[in-house]
Amino acid sequence: DIQMTQSPSSLSASVGDRVTITCQASQDISNYLNWFQQKPGKAPKLLIYDTSNLETGVPSRFSGSGSGTDFTFTISSLQPEDIATYYCQQYHNLPTFGQGTRLELE
Amino acid sequence: QVQLVESGGGVVQPGRSLRLSCAASGFTFSNSAMHWLRQAPGKGLEWVAVISYDGSNEYYGDSVKGRFTISRDNSKNTVYVQMNSLRAEDTALYYCATARHLWLITYWGQGTLVTVSS
Repeated sequence: DIQMTQSPSSLSASVGDRVTITCQASQDISNYLNWFQQKPGKAPKLLIYDTSNLETGVPSRFSGSGSGTDFTFTISSLQPEDIATYYCQQYHNLPTFGQGTRLELE
Repeated sequence: QVQLVESGGGVVQPGRSLRLSCAASGFTFSNSAMHWLRQAPGKGLEWVAVISYDGSNEYYGDSVKGRFTISRDNSKNTVYVQMNSLRAEDTALYYCATARHLWLITYWGQGTLVTVSS
């Protein structure tokens, strides 16, 4: 299995802050990397697919970059509705997820 | 709009079986691969299985291989997972999800809770 290591595991930030989450794969996954948002009590929602493609309807303050083993997810200006847990997920091999990053308001 | 409704969850004893269903609407089900994923209480996400649009290909996660079987009925717009030899560690909220191609997981249902306990 490909292991996905996300950091940090939790993060506190203020409205308007730039927020960055990283995800490292245990081997080269090319660009087969997605980012999901999960709000409490809700199902995960796809935000970014194939490293940097914004899913339809997702605000442009969300972005992703990277390739190979190192990937980054960014919220350019944090909004209150962005409070959630974020997961990276690879599908170069059978899908695996990072352990999640819980984002809280400071 | 896409709608996925899981059902069939409940409390089951270790070693017993359970079948989950996921009824789909709002998209062309017969053209879409379908996944099952799960989330143990307070934990992260784990992929369980995928079935191709026509049912010709299935893949499983290591933790369920040999115990779980994914299937689909395109005439009923429904995907299933048959779960046998259930263990306490299978306790989780089980989600079904659509895929843009075999592996790009997109939209998730709201989940059905399975609790394995004596």
